[in-house]
Amino acid sequence: RKEVEQDPGPFNVPEGATVAFNCTYSNSASQSFFWYRQDCRKEPKLLMSVYSSGNEDGRFTAQLNRASQYISLLIRDSKLSDSATYLCVVTPQSYNFNKFYFGSGTKLNVKP
Amino acid sequence: DGGITQSPKYLFRKEGQNVTLSCEQNLNHDAMYWYRQDPGQGLRLIYYSQIVNDFQKGDIAEGYSVSREKKESFPLTVTSAQKNPTAFYLCASSIAGLGEQFFGPGTRLTVL
Repeated sequence: RKEVEQDPGPFNVPEGATVAFNCTYSNSASQSFFWYRQDCRKEPKLLMSVYSSGNEDGRFTAQLNRASQYISLLIRDSKLSDSATYLCVVTPQSYNFNKFYFGSGTKLNVKP
Repeated sequence: DGGITQSPKYLFRKEGQNVTLSCEQNLNHDAMYWYRQDPGQGLRLIYYSQIVNDFQKGDIAEGYSVSREKKESFPLTVTSAQKNPTAFYLCASSIAGLGEQFFGPGTRLTVL
């Protein structure tokens, strides 16, 4: 079983739509969670960290469900510029080293 | 500005040649990583290093080698033993023990 699993998509949505991605992880000891955004042929960039209480940054909301071992990303009022691949990242967070586990990514296409 | 640099951006190699990919960071991060990404795939860990003069194999280390002689530098050598080296190579760093990873812009390697 993979450490982190994501629906690869693509999710094709119109501008202004609300879209949600889920990501499941297998290690119940996982401590830190992140969403990264990766544009075509570019490096991943941190979109947001995911906290136990959930967090919001503008149109983006991330949530963590430890009981069911999944994290989610909600994008409201989608823009054309949101088109990208979204990577879910999980780490067990040891004392002095993080080994990061990446999902394969969910591709989002926002259409005019 | 602090960041991670990788060079070259594009690299072409003939079969049977070794090539070295450069990764430098001025973020004062202890941990550094090398990943490989194939089209439509997630990131796979090749090697990682927590401190100078120490590094560990990741999930797909065969055919690769690294060194960590300075905190700022973590070069990756792709040897002729790597059977299918054509891929996008990403270097990353993090503050060991907490926080997210930061990525360099990547090197796209093509074997001719």
